[in-house]
Amino acid sequence: DQQVKQNSPSLSVQEGRISILNCDYTNSMFDYFLWYKKYPAEGPTFLISISSIKDKNEDGRFTVFLNKSAKHLSLHIVPSQPGDSAVYFCPVQSSGNTGKLIFGQGTTLQVKP
Amino acid sequence: GAVVSQHPSWVICKSGTSVKIECRSLDFQATTMFWYRQFPKQSLMLMATSNEGSKATYEQGVEKDKFLINHASLTLSTLTVTSAHPEDSSFYICSANPTGLQETQYFGPGTRLLVL
Repeated sequence: DQQVKQNSPSLSVQEGRISILNCDYTNSMFDYFLWYKKYPAEGPTFLISISSIKDKNEDGRFTVFLNKSAKHLSLHIVPSQPGDSAVYFCPVQSSGNTGKLIFGQGTTLQVKP
Repeated sequence: GAVVSQHPSWVICKSGTSVKIECRSLDFQATTMFWYRQFPKQSLMLMATSNEGSKATYEQGVEKDKFLINHASLTLSTLTVTSAHPEDSSFYICSANPTGLQETQYFGPGTRLLVL
């Protein structure tokens, strides 16, 4: 039973436009949410995070939105760049769980020049 | 930013041999490290939580005698795949929490294991 779902396996966006990546989770006890991007044969790279007490966090081109009632979060990348092409994961974390992350299946983003 | 290294980056071995993979936090101390594996086009699956100075905590379905974890210092955790078989071929990734920063987790570059 997947606790973190990224229902879109892939997304294609034109350079300069907005990329919106979505993530749904099932457990309301999760209280910390992260976004990582991953290139093939490399480890994930941290992008941005948000705690459950907030509904928005922004860092440069990346903005994460959290809708706790819907158990949904999204990552907005604007403007998208070809270098953003990668697999994006939205692992979640429970408090008191010693940092353990639960990953979804990932979404492959392709930004076309 | 914080750096986590893994060694080796890739390894090919014969079936039945054991393979050790090292995970090091280079510029911070990590009381807790994690080991994941990833199959092609699939998500990262947490295998175990490695705690410095104590036994690792394994996820359900992961054989602790098959995947030996040792976290002997605050900057080093090792994963040993014992008596490796072709089905153990995978991409193994470690991550580390800087001590005192539970929400922050840095990943290593991964180790590709191919068992012939």
